[in-house]
Amino acid sequence: SAVISQKPSRDICQRGTSLTIQCQVDSQVTMMFWYRQQPGQSLTLIATANQGSEATYESGFVIDKFPISRPNLTFSTLTVSNMSPEDSSIYLCSVTGTGGREQYFGPGTRLTVT
Amino acid sequence: GQQLNQSPQSMFIQEGEDVSMNCTSSSIFNTWLWYKQDPGEGPVLLIALYKAGELTSNGRLTAQFGITRKDSFLNISASIPSDVGIYFCAGPNAGGTSYGKLTFGQGTILTVHP
Repeated sequence: SAVISQKPSRDICQRGTSLTIQCQVDSQVTMMFWYRQQPGQSLTLIATANQGSEATYESGFVIDKFPISRPNLTFSTLTVSNMSPEDSSIYLCSVTGTGGREQYFGPGTRLTVT
Repeated sequence: GQQLNQSPQSMFIQEGEDVSMNCTSSSIFNTWLWYKQDPGEGPVLLIALYKAGELTSNGRLTAQFGITRKDSFLNISASIPSDVGIYFCAGPNAGGTSYGKLTFGQGTILTVHP
């Protein structure tokens, strides 16, 4: 499976600011995804990061709040904009495996908004 | 959208006991994935199931893809303290624009008493 790293691993941010999270994969992958895991909850898909085109967002998530970039097949960023305490969550990127049906996750970014 | 119902929500067991958890859906899945998440980490893929009726093992873990394709089971034999964590089932959505997107169960929190 691919080795996935995320930066930062955690951060504490002030309300109203923005944070950009980076996801780096050690090999080229076709599909990359961003998930949110709110405290004590399961994972919810935010969007699919498409290389060379705009991300595809799930219901309840919008580009203005969660802009995503994917400049190549090994890297993606997720920005959490104009943060509020409700944005305090773990944000995870994932990639599909070679079989196309399994996914592997990065270590996550733990965000706390005060 | 598709939903996965995972049970039990939590389990408290003694070291050495066997554990069983399951996941059900109202719709058919073509793949079932089981993950474990340790505190402060991203989910780690334990077992992937690709065919109805498939039974797959990974050490002390055994998972089965239900015949109806609407359920899956995960068993852990002879539990040890490091089995502690949250276990999630997940399945990729059907094809088309939803291809590759995972739906997650609510998770089973496992506590093992030494």
